[in-house]
Amino acid sequence: AQTVTQSQPEMSVQEAETVTLSCTYDTSESDYYLFWYKQPPSRQMILVIRQEAYKQQNATENRFSVNFQKAAKSFSLKISDSQLGDAAMYFCAYRSLDSNYQLIWGAGTKLIIKP
Amino acid sequence: NAGVMQNPRHLVRRRGQEARLRCSPMKGHSHVYWYRQLPEEGLKFMVYLQKENIIDESGMPKERFSAEFPKEGPSILRIQQVVRGDSAAYFCASSPRGLGNEQFFGPGTRLTVL
Repeated sequence: AQTVTQSQPEMSVQEAETVTLSCTYDTSESDYYLFWYKQPPSRQMILVIRQEAYKQQNATENRFSVNFQKAAKSFSLKISDSQLGDAAMYFCAYRSLDSNYQLIWGAGTKLIIKP
Repeated sequence: NAGVMQNPRHLVRRRGQEARLRCSPMKGHSHVYWYRQLPEEGLKFMVYLQKENIIDESGMPKERFSAEFPKEGPSILRIQQVVRGDSAAYFCASSPRGLGNEQFFGPGTRLTVL
């Protein structure tokens, strides 16, 4: 069975600086999807970025980028130029390529932005 | 195009009562998923439904929990005889037929059992 691990329960960063959130996963599959979701205090789950495992190029979305290391089964999220609105819980999630459902989630990292 | 709608946003029940959580998927979406989030944890998959069919309920407790997605109307997650351990946030997500790689989430229903 697949598992997702986020080893940082909480991270803090100064506004305008860069922060990296860690995520590792375990799977025997060769093709899959990886996601980062943001959950602000409103509790709405918002997709931040998605990576297809068969793509070698790291996904980027404005100030958000990932460092996908397939061999190491690592999928970290880098947030550049941190803003106060980035404060939230961040969840890493995995989904099998063959499955239309059943996202496997990490426990989350709480990101605090210091003004 | 309205997003995934869930109601109520907050629901308080006493032990032994029934809880009904509703989810209206995005327009054009025929796949619905329910997840549960316990405090300080990530989401856990509960059930995957298409219209009038339960595709996978492997994450759903065997007793007291049921889900449906009728031909007309919202998907319903029903919890009978609630207990304190059922207190959690319940999220619904939907995806369009044929596009399997993104689920759009609703705002969740926070269930509190007194």
